[in-house]
Amino acid sequence: GAGVSQSPRYKVAKRGQDVALRCDPISGHVSLFWYQQALGQGPEFLTYFQNEAQLDKSGLPSDRFFAERPEGSVSTLKIQRTQQEDSAVYLCASSLGWEAEGETQYFGPGTRLLVL
Amino acid sequence: AQSVSQHNHHVILSEAASLELGCNYSYGGTVNLFWYVQYPGQHLQLLLKYFSGDPLVKGIKGFEAEFIKSKFSFNLRKPSVQWSDTAEYFCAVIPPYSSASKIIFGSGTRLSIRP
Repeated sequence: GAGVSQSPRYKVAKRGQDVALRCDPISGHVSLFWYQQALGQGPEFLTYFQNEAQLDKSGLPSDRFFAERPEGSVSTLKIQRTQQEDSAVYLCASSLGWEAEGETQYFGPGTRLLVL
Repeated sequence: AQSVSQHNHHVILSEAASLELGCNYSYGGTVNLFWYVQYPGQHLQLLLKYFSGDPLVKGIKGFEAEFIKSKFSFNLRKPSVQWSDTAEYFCAVIPPYSSASKIIFGSGTRLSIRP
């Protein structure tokens, strides 16, 4: 079956530009997560949705970062006025969301963002 | 600060050698533990997970991990590695009392297997 998909796969932006990254979760998955992975590091949590509700955005690094999931399916991560330190791979993950212990998150291929 | 530590950044082994990758976490209480793998050019995928029961967990591709609560460790093992095991391996934790199932990842260990 189809996994988590993300687009674009690569994005080059000039400093100051706004970017929008898209995530299509696995159909029927209630929970959706965004992570940021800097070069040579593990992924770091950004934000979490349960259906359309953004229940945790504690990992968003600044108010330039904004995420939405208006219909409880596709999600968009928007970064305004990009800075060089925003360069990273942005990963999306989804899970069934039944709050089962250790529920598995399925990851997408990521969007590699380079800010020049 | 509470964290997940992977002490080996890069491990190089020959085929058929035994593997053990270390992982320590600093959270008290009940945690959920994972090992994820990222093969070159591919997505992060789950190798194995522990949330309760037998502390020796078996995963895919012959990997296993042992949860030792007293040592706050969850080391990954494989008795005989193959060239195809070349990948980046991430240990991860869902901390106790997490308001969401957000995963805290270690910094990863790159495994290179010499054919």
